[in-house]
Amino acid sequence: AQSVTQPDIHITVSEGASLELRCNYSYGATPYLFWYVQSPGQGLQLLLKYFSGDTLVQGIKGFEAEFKRSQSSFNLRKPSVHWSDAAEYFCAWYGNKLVFGAGTILRVKS
Amino acid sequence: EAEVAQSPRYKITEKSQAVAFWCDPISGHATLYWYRQILGQGPELLVQFQDESVVDDSQLPKDRFSAERLKGVDSTLKIQPAELGDSAMYLCASSFPESYEQYFGPGTRLTVT
Repeated sequence: AQSVTQPDIHITVSEGASLELRCNYSYGATPYLFWYVQSPGQGLQLLLKYFSGDTLVQGIKGFEAEFKRSQSSFNLRKPSVHWSDAAEYFCAWYGNKLVFGAGTILRVKS
Repeated sequence: EAEVAQSPRYKITEKSQAVAFWCDPISGHATLYWYRQILGQGPELLVQFQDESVVDDSQLPKDRFSAERLKGVDSTLKIQPAELGDSAMYLCASSFPESYEQYFGPGTRLTVT
């Protein structure tokens, strides 16, 4: 079955430090991939998406993600984290429906 | 900026009671989705509508859950009777047809006691 794996349940980074959140998917064809962010008690906001073309995609709030077919990965990155980035981040894959990973909770320490 | 509206935002109900959630998608979005998000997990699709028709309800527990979108605009998700295991966040999302980009509402947090 198609699945999305986010290996890290929690990550803590210092404000101003760089961030990388991992995402792996299990599907042979080029998938449609997404990263969403969810603040506590809120819905999901789309950060960025990859459908095809350039494997490095830029999103909102200074986030970017790189699609690596050889590693079946779509990791999310940000060069300098702000305290307001503390939230839960979900990677998702679209086949015939949107399938989400379990999420990674980001904590930012000052 | 247009948003998906959901109400109520929070709902506490007792086991065996009926509960209903409402969703109003972004204007022009013919596709509407209901997701359930259990604490510590990602959202899982319960039902997908295209206009007023159900496209996918394979994960909807039909013995107790029902969903409708009578006029192809807003939608209601009902649970009857509610069980303790139904405690979760219920998210509504909408999109243009054939679009992979879904826009999510703020969700309804259900607690069943």
